[in-house]
Amino acid sequence: AQTVTQSQPEMSVQEAETVTLSCTYDTSENNYYLFWYKQPPSRQMILVIRQEAYKQQNATENRFSVNFQKAAKSFSLKISDSQLGDTAMYFCAFRGGGSEKLVFGKGTKLTVNP
Amino acid sequence: EPEVTQTPSHQVTQMGQEVILRCVPISNHLYFYWYRQILGQKVEFLVSFYNNEISEKSEIFDDQFSVERPDGSNFTLKIRSTKLEDSAMYFCASSRRTWSGQETQYFGPGTRLLVL
Repeated sequence: AQTVTQSQPEMSVQEAETVTLSCTYDTSENNYYLFWYKQPPSRQMILVIRQEAYKQQNATENRFSVNFQKAAKSFSLKISDSQLGDTAMYFCAFRGGGSEKLVFGKGTKLTVNP
Repeated sequence: EPEVTQTPSHQVTQMGQEVILRCVPISNHLYFYWYRQILGQKVEFLVSFYNNEISEKSEIFDDQFSVERPDGSNFTLKIRSTKLEDSAMYFCASSRRTWSGQETQYFGPGTRLLVL
């Protein structure tokens, strides 16, 4: 069974600085998808960024980028120029190529301080 | 931008009672999902639904649970006889397709269920 581990329960960063959230996963599959979701205090989960395992290039989405290390099974999220609105729980999630379910990590609570 | 909506936002029920949680997926989406998050724990997959059938379910999704798409817009999760351990936040999600892996699951705001 696939597992997703987020080793940082909480992190904080100063506004305008850069922060990196860690995620590792375990799978025997070669074809899969990885996601970062953001859950602000209003509690609606929003997709931040996704990565297909077959793509070597790291995904980027404006201030958000990932460092996908397939051999190491690592998928970290980098937030540049942090903003107060980035304060949220961040969940790393995995989806196997043959499955529809998302497997989530426990989340990292990020606080951006003014 | 279209959103997944869920009602009610909060529900309190007595143990043994039936509850129905409602979701309106994004209108052109064909795949629907329920997840739950017990306080302090991971978000867990319950079930996926496509073409009026369950396409995948987890071990959590036992005979106490059922899903239905009663009309063209709603997607419901029924818990027949609630237990204390069913207390959780329940999230509905929908996506457009999965065959090519291009789908993104869009989540609703959740229903907080409290079983007393």
